[in-house]
Amino acid sequence: DIQVTQSPFTLSASIGDRVTITCRASQSVNSWLAWYQQKPGKAPKLLIYKTFHLESGVPSRFSGTGSGIEFTLTINSLQPDDFATYYCQQYNTYPWTFGQGTKVEIK
Amino acid sequence: QVQLVQSGAEVKKPGSSIKVSCKTSGGTFNDYAINWVRQAPGQGLEWVGGLIPVFGNANYTQKFQGRIAITADEATNTAYLELNSLRSEDTAVYFCARARESYDFWSAYSKWGQGTLVTVSS
Repeated sequence: DIQVTQSPFTLSASIGDRVTITCRASQSVNSWLAWYQQKPGKAPKLLIYKTFHLESGVPSRFSGTGSGIEFTLTINSLQPDDFATYYCQQYNTYPWTFGQGTKVEIK
Repeated sequence: QVQLVQSGAEVKKPGSSIKVSCKTSGGTFNDYAINWVRQAPGQGLEWVGGLIPVFGNANYTQKFQGRIAITADEATNTAYLELNSLRSEDTAVYFCARARESYDFWSAYSKWGQGTLVTVSS
């Protein structure tokens, strides 16, 4: 199975900060990587698909980059609604696998 | 607007079986992969398996092979996850999630059900 490692595990930030979350795969997943946001007690929400494509309705302060084994999610100008846990997912090779999550907390 | 509505929470004994449903409304059912993702208490997300109803054959994570079945009823636009020989480690919230692109397993999940809590306890 492809292992997907996210860093950091937790991140403390303030409103207006720029934050970056990294996702590293144990082997190439080409561009088949997505990012989800999850709030407590809720289902995940798709933010980015195929590395950098912004899902409809997602604010443009979210962006994704990368290829192969290393990917990043950037949130420009963090907003109150952005405090949540973020997961990356590779869907290049079965079984699809998720990173362990990055919790973005208020500093 | 596409919506996925799942069946309610259940408490099961170890060794028993569970069947969770996921009904799709507001969109085409047959052409989009339905995947199941679970989340143990306080833990991350784990892909369980999925299928595209029009194709019929399901894919599963190896660890569940032999005790899992994912099926779809096109007449009622409902997908099912059945898990047998339940263990305490199967205690989790189970989500169904629909692919963003039709006819494509290689797709992120743009629509999610609300989740079904399955508790396995003696």
